[in-house]
Order: sequence, then structure tokens, then C-alpha cells
Amino acid sequence: DAGITQSPRHKVTETGTPVTLRCHQTENHRYMYWYRQDPGHGLRLIHYSYGVKDTDKGEVSDGYSVSRSKTEDFLLTLESATSSQTSVYFCAISEFDTTYEQYFGPGTRLTVT
Amino acid sequence: QKEVEQNSGPLSVPEGAIASLNCTYSDRVSQSFFWYRQYSGKSPELIMSIYSNGDKEDGRFTAQLNKASQYVSLLIRDSQPSDSATYLCAGQGAQKLVFGQGTRLTINP
Repeated sequence: DAGITQSPRHKVTETGTPVTLRCHQTENHRYMYWYRQDPGHGLRLIHYSYGVKDTDKGEVSDGYSVSRSKTEDFLLTLESATSSQTSVYFCAISEFDTTYEQYFGPGTRLTVT
Repeated sequence: QKEVEQNSGPLSVPEGAIASLNCTYSDRVSQSFFWYRQYSGKSPELIMSIYSNGDKEDGRFTAQLNKASQYVSLLIRDSQPSDSATYLCAGQGAQKLVFGQGTRLTINP
């Protein structure tokens, strides 16, 4: 298995609170991605990073921000959580410049009450 | 047209039969395609990559790519109950993969 961990694995939080999810890799891959997965919507890309301090928006970026200060860590922040952000969040890594293959972390189940 | 389209299913196949999963894609996706398997409550797992026209076989799995028809398929031979999962098709976009909605496959003993 690719060396990808996500923390926390489960979180319950209240509307309006800030939340940060962490993705950590040991593969030294250049690209990292954050997705959310909801019934009926499949995987939707939130943000991605193509290098340290290099990030770009995905299709559902509103309400989310990211940071990548070192190769191995990619943080996803919900500045003020809303119930619509209740979802399962997956991180993925890739050496997109060469193989394009993407490998997923175990996921974080976030519930906003 | 969506960039990558899959029939959401569910697709039901008897044990031991061939399961055929299909995916079509638009001009905005190109070159390389991938099949992921996702068990309920788990993360997607890469099971096949295909980079050129034709067939690619790996054990009981065969991926087929037809660029002229913009069509990708995954065949699972001798289907087992453990193959019951959602299968996601993905194509290469700009700096990222573009995923279909997934097809839910059930193998009936």
C-alpha cells in the first residue's frame, strides 16, 4: 500500500467551527489531492497541489482552503464548517508527470452537526 | 456531455460469469485511463491502468481501450462474490484524473 495516512479518521464538529484535516505521505510524490465523496455525486475534487506551496482549485473549492508547506503534508481547512460539508474526505497522491496513477488514503468521515 | 460517464448500475452478475463494466469519455480527457475498485466504507483502490489502444490483461481482469470510439471497459472473468464493489473509471485530465460516478457491481452466489 502507498504510504498515505489521514487524520483524524472520524470527526464530529459543530456548525461554524474551523476544522483541519491532514494528509501525510511517505512516498515523496509531487502531487496531492483532496476529494469529497457523497452519495449520488461520486468523487469531487476540492483542491490539489503540484508542489510545495503550489496549489489550485478543483470543482468544489468554495468553503475550503489548503496548504502545503512541505512535500509530505497537505492540509485541508474548513474555515467555518457547514452541514453541507458533512462528507467522506479522501486524500490522494500521484506522480502525475510520469505515470498519472493516483493512490488514495483511507479517508476521513466528517460530520457537521 | 460529462467528461467521463459510467452507468451507475447496479449491475448484477452470477458467480462465475463475466462482468462487463463500461465507460465513455469526452475530448477533454485523453491518453490514459484507470479502473478503481471501491468496497463499501473503504477508499478507492487502483486495479488497472491502460495507456494505449487495445487490451491489457492482469489475472481475471482485462481492460480495453478504444480511442476512436472513446470507450473504456473492464472485464472481470470468473466473477467472485468478493468482486462485489463500486468500480470507478478515471481518465487523464490536466494535472489530475477525471472520475466517472462509478458502477455498483453485485456478484450473486
